[in-house]
Amino acid sequence: QKEVEQNSGPLSVPEGAIASLNCTYSDRGSQSFFWYRQYSGKSPELIMSIYSNGDKEDGRFTAQLNKASQYVSLLIRDSQPSDSATYLCAVNSLAGGTSYGKLTFGQGTILTVHP
Amino acid sequence: DTGVSQDPRHKITKRGQNVTFRCDPISEHNRLYWYRQTLGQGPEFLTYFQNEAQLEKSRLLSDRFSAERPKGSFSTLEIQRTEQGDSAMYLCASSFGFGNTIYFGEGSWLTVV
Repeated sequence: QKEVEQNSGPLSVPEGAIASLNCTYSDRGSQSFFWYRQYSGKSPELIMSIYSNGDKEDGRFTAQLNKASQYVSLLIRDSQPSDSATYLCAVNSLAGGTSYGKLTFGQGTILTVHP
Repeated sequence: DTGVSQDPRHKITKRGQNVTFRCDPISEHNRLYWYRQTLGQGPEFLTYFQNEAQLEKSRLLSDRFSAERPKGSFSTLEIQRTEQGDSAMYLCASSFGFGNTIYFGEGSWLTVV
């Protein structure tokens, strides 16, 4: 089982719709969760961080965390063509007691927002 | 600009040659990370430092890879005897403390021919 898994893509949504991106993780000791956006040929840029169960909203983005289910998601409301990118879920894991502070990434989900 | 800086941005090298990448983190950040990313995959952890101490190195990393952060500031990643499979984007990132946001540089693209 991969440490961090994201829903397989690519995901295509029409402009103005809600895009839903999902991620599961294997280490129950994980404490910090991040969503990064990566445009083609560019490095990842942080969109959201979430540390506690529940929802966290920032503009059109909402991150949801459920530690019991080991699940984190990102909702993008009113999707725009400029949101078209690869979205990376990252988890700060304490696996093995030695990996403190290491971010483990999922494989990414490609999102395309079409006009 | 006070973000994470990487140099060079692009490197083309012949198989068997050595290459070195440099990373300058955000100035107040004590943690520095190296990741590698290939097409269609998420970034893969290579190693990280807290100040000048290298705290973890991926088991996937061969002995051809070495990283240093001699004074707890900038870091270098050296790849010896490059192979075509080393072609990737090498990402440097930094953060302050545990669990806080990790910020990435723009990456260094390596092509081994």
